[in-house]
Amino acid sequence: QQPVQSPQAVILREGEDAVINCSSSKALYSVHWYRQKHGEAPVFLMILLKGGEQKGHEKISASFNEKKQQSSLYLTASQLSYSGTYFCGTETVDRDDKIIFGKGTRLHILP
Amino acid sequence: GAGVSQSPSNKVTEKGKDVELRCDPISGHTALYWYRQSLGQGLEFLIYFQGNSAPDKSGLPSDRFSAERTGGSVSTLTIQRTQQEDSAVYLCASSAILWGTQETQYFGPGTRLLVL
Repeated sequence: QQPVQSPQAVILREGEDAVINCSSSKALYSVHWYRQKHGEAPVFLMILLKGGEQKGHEKISASFNEKKQQSSLYLTASQLSYSGTYFCGTETVDRDDKIIFGKGTRLHILP
Repeated sequence: GAGVSQSPSNKVTEKGKDVELRCDPISGHTALYWYRQSLGQGLEFLIYFQGNSAPDKSGLPSDRFSAERTGGSVSTLTIQRTQQEDSAVYLCASSAILWGTQETQYFGPGTRLLVL
């Protein structure tokens, strides 16, 4: 089942923080995060495994709340380069080797 | 090579024809992934390879799609009897370890397929 991302879109000024959520109705094993700029291939950000871990990538970090079946992506002190569409992909505990992606969250950073 | 390469970069074909898409992963990367992205849509995961093996092919959209990998390197995605709904950007990625949480997946530039 497709995970739900929220918000669908967000506009920030450079330096502001943002949180993007990815929620599933099924028990999750892993959550994958990617960023894609218009006309370009996606860029891999990180994979989180169940266990409630938190990871960081530059000023971008993420958490995985196993109880809520939700992952949140945190963008701190956003930079212009953070603009793009963020996709989460989820794999359920069934470990069926299928990654289902959300519809994406469009992030636009203004100078 | 320095990165993941895909060929052709663009392919226009007629409905009903077969097409073959190629992916050259980063040397030494054991894991290879195929994704699809229709115009203006999100990502769709198709299949992964661990070495030459693809344990689960159920993510492929239909039995017209097949994929193989040889020598733990090059992979080809073949679409038989193409349909207009097959039009999309087909993306390939590779990583040193399958779904490695400490390993970056590197994407190729994609093959833009248009079925007329």
